[in-house]
Amino acid sequence: GAVVSQHPSWVICKSGTSVKIECRSLDFQATTMFWYRQFPKQSLMLMATSNEGSKATYEQGVEKDKFLINHASLTLSTLTVTSAHPEDSSFYICSARLQGGQPQHFGDGTRLSIL
Amino acid sequence: QKEVEQDPGPLSVPEGAIVSLNCTYSNSAFQYFMWYRQYSRKGPELLMYTYSSGNKEDGRFTAQVDKSSKYISLFIRDSQPSDSATYLCAIDNFNKFYFGSGTKLNVKP
Repeated sequence: GAVVSQHPSWVICKSGTSVKIECRSLDFQATTMFWYRQFPKQSLMLMATSNEGSKATYEQGVEKDKFLINHASLTLSTLTVTSAHPEDSSFYICSARLQGGQPQHFGDGTRLSIL
Repeated sequence: QKEVEQDPGPLSVPEGAIVSLNCTYSNSAFQYFMWYRQYSRKGPELLMYTYSSGNKEDGRFTAQVDKSSKYISLFIRDSQPSDSATYLCAIDNFNKFYFGSGTKLNVKP
């Protein structure tokens, strides 16, 4: 149980394009979803927290207009990297949680490469 | 002071060894503790989830929480090469999560 699917797993695109990453909780309804960024050999860096039907809460230093998060249903959240540039290249991971006091379950991540 | 501190390793052990991974934390009010395993280029996988103090065992894995010392541990018995990964401790303080920096473990056949 508690499976989180993230798609795509790897995307390469040209500078200036927008990229959408999907995160789905397959066998539970997630009241809260989280988006992380991870640089090589470093720990997870929380970008934003989203609750279904509400605006996402972004961490300090994360550009809201750059990283658009939509949490339209209890099983789907999307992260759109707008006008992506090479410095946005990274490993992006989502997680989902049923409710407070429950652990987060992670997707397998998306490797984003901007040329 | 960071909320969670974890030795980054790397830790290298022979197959069959008992592995001890540890984290310390700063706030005695924390109650929910987790251990995740992360293989290279994959998302973290939940291994253990404990509430408050005590031990929890699942197969070869034992999670231990010592609230008096603010110390959490993960023990791996009979370690296997497939256990080679980065292990992250994590604390859930309701809507605020704190992750350790991860300990890289290498189990040599």
